[in-house]
Parts: sequence; structure tokens; C-alpha cells
Amino acid sequence: EAEVAQSPRYKITEKSQAVAFWCDPISGHATLYWYRQILGQGPELLVQFQDESVVDDSQLPKDRFSAERLKGVDSTLKIQPAELGDSAMYLCASRGQGALTEAFFGQGTRLTVV
Amino acid sequence: AQSVTQPDIHITVSEGASLELRCNYSYGATPYLFWYVQSPGQGLQLLLKYFSGDTLVQGIKGFEAEFKRSQSSFNLRKPSVHWSDAAEYFCAVGGNAGNNRKLIWGLGTSLAVNP
Repeated sequence: EAEVAQSPRYKITEKSQAVAFWCDPISGHATLYWYRQILGQGPELLVQFQDESVVDDSQLPKDRFSAERLKGVDSTLKIQPAELGDSAMYLCASRGQGALTEAFFGQGTRLTVV
Repeated sequence: AQSVTQPDIHITVSEGASLELRCNYSYGATPYLFWYVQSPGQGLQLLLKYFSGDTLVQGIKGFEAEFKRSQSSFNLRKPSVHWSDAAEYFCAVGGNAGNNRKLIWGLGTSLAVNP
């Protein structure tokens, strides 16, 4: 069964350092989402791609976060510099092109900033 | 404004008891509705979805949900809960208008199951 792949699963980094997360969506899925989920809360959309184009990054803290999906396939989310408040689960999801489709999630990357 | 409300932050039920998790939404267009489940430290797994048609939808793991347009609700139910159902449950609403495929999420309901 096709899955959304994310790496790493866990990351510990010191504040002020740079950190990057990678996501490989299900093959053929044009829509890709990056979410941040703080413990005990729901997912918060950071950025949404349609193919290689950003559709919505209104909640992305652009002074320190960046995201790219250069070839419209896999994607990278970067934080530089990391802050203590960035500690969270970062989830990637993808969604097929059809009208009646749902989002499929990866296992997530648990980030701890120390 | 588009929003999803899950009124119950935390619910505890006994194993074998019935379960209903509430979800209310506000959405300007025809809503596509979803329930996802998340086990600790894991990603989200789709339980069921509603796009159109029969308002009672069946999902995986014995869950079902009923769409009530007049009440703007999409409540999740299970007739007999198992200990393995303990998890976080999220309701979401979205659309498919052009590039507007953003999902609006509730804050989740944490389910605990007593043996």
C-alpha cells in the first residue's frame, strides 16, 4: 500500500541551529500539506502545495521557516534558526487530484529543540 | 468563518460501551467531512469520509458517522468500544474548489477506555 514517507522520525536540535524535514508523498498526488501539531492540539497548516506551487503559506513563519517542492514531488521544510517553541510534531500529508479524495498522512517528525 | 468544533476535549468510556464523539462545523460551501484517528506519536489515519449521498457513512474499525446538514454536525459513533480505540480523534472539513483544498481541523477529542 502506498504511503507518505517522512524523515527523520525524531530530531533533537539545539536552539539557533538549522533543521530540515523531508517528505515524499504518494506517487501522483499533486497536493502536499505540511502541518505542525503541538502536543494536545490539532494540526495547524503551515504550507500547502499544488504541484510545485505554494497555494497557502499564510500561517508559515517566513522569517525562519521555508518550504520547497521543486519538482512537484518530494518536499523539504526547513527551520533556521530553530527556537524552543518550535518543538512539535511536523506532519506531511498528500492528496490525490480527484474531487472525492482524502489526505493521507505520514508518520510525522517529532522535533525537540533544546 | 470556516471552523470545526469538537465540544468534548476528553472522553472516558468503559470497554464494550457505546461511543459518540461530536463534531460541528461552519463552512460556506458544500462540505467534505472527515474523521481521523491518531495514536500517540503517530500520524493521522482516516476513519471515514463524507462527500455526498447517504448521510450515514461506514468507516474502518467499526466506526460510523452521520451527516446532519440541518445541525451542521458529523458525529462519530461506535456501538462497542475496544481498548485499542483509545486515541485522539479529529474531525475535519474541506472542499475541492479549484486550488482551495485546505482542511479545517477541530482541536480533537482524546478518548480513554477503561477495562
